Amino acid sequence: QVQLQESGPRLVKPSETLSLTCTVSGDSISTYYWTWIRQTPGKGLEWIGYIYYTGSANYNPSLESRVTIAVDTSKNQFSLNLSSLTAADTAVYYCARRHGSYSTFDIWGQGTMVTVSS
Amino acid sequence: QSVLTQPPSASGTPGQRVTISCSGSSSNIESNTVNWYQQFPGMAPKLLIYTNNQRPSGVPDRFSGSKSGTSASLAISGLQSDDEADYYCAAWDDSLTGHVVFGGGTKLTVL
Repeated sequence: QVQLQESGPRLVKPSETLSLTCTVSGDSISTYYWTWIRQTPGKGLEWIGYIYYTGSANYNPSLESRVTIAVDTSKNQFSLNLSSLTAADTAVYYCARRHGSYSTFDIWGQGTMVTVSS
Repeated sequence: QSVLTQPPSASGTPGQRVTISCSGSSSNIESNTVNWYQQFPGMAPKLLIYTNNQRPSGVPDRFSGSKSGTSASLAISGLQSDDEADYYCAAWDDSLTGHVVFGGGTKLTVL
């Protein structure tokens, strides 16, 4: 059974960089595309970007200047770095597996709530 | 403001059939497949319909999806109380460098 688990800080200061890690268990990360998605409180879902095990990545144009997604195949993990944080980046951050079409995410992590505040 | 437009709310009584619409454009729904997600409070979204009208294993056939032109719909027949959740549509958008877009979500209430 494939499982994804997000880890990282719950509270980050404005202007700093958020770093989150998603650990994949039950499957090799070298098989699918892996994605970060966030959900702001009371609002909808926003796709951040995805990465393939080769390191090839694609980002949401609205976040591209601040986002880096990386993969570590030796640890079966992928990560998210989001810089220059503001309160608007406060959200639940999910990692997910992309399977099939670009917008098909069949397995999700439980999500981690990140608050940007001084 | 979401790229894909969904009604913020929908409702129905047990046993009824309810549909939720998702309106997009030529750069997303018309040229790419649509997926639907179901989300309960405090939980991660769950894939409900993929590739316009396919159901993952374990999803009841009460749930169905369709697409026509720049719009898509999710239908739920034989409505049950535990269908009460938020529903989101999603598609790839070919504009700019390409990216995934979501609808704003529809909160389904079972009366």
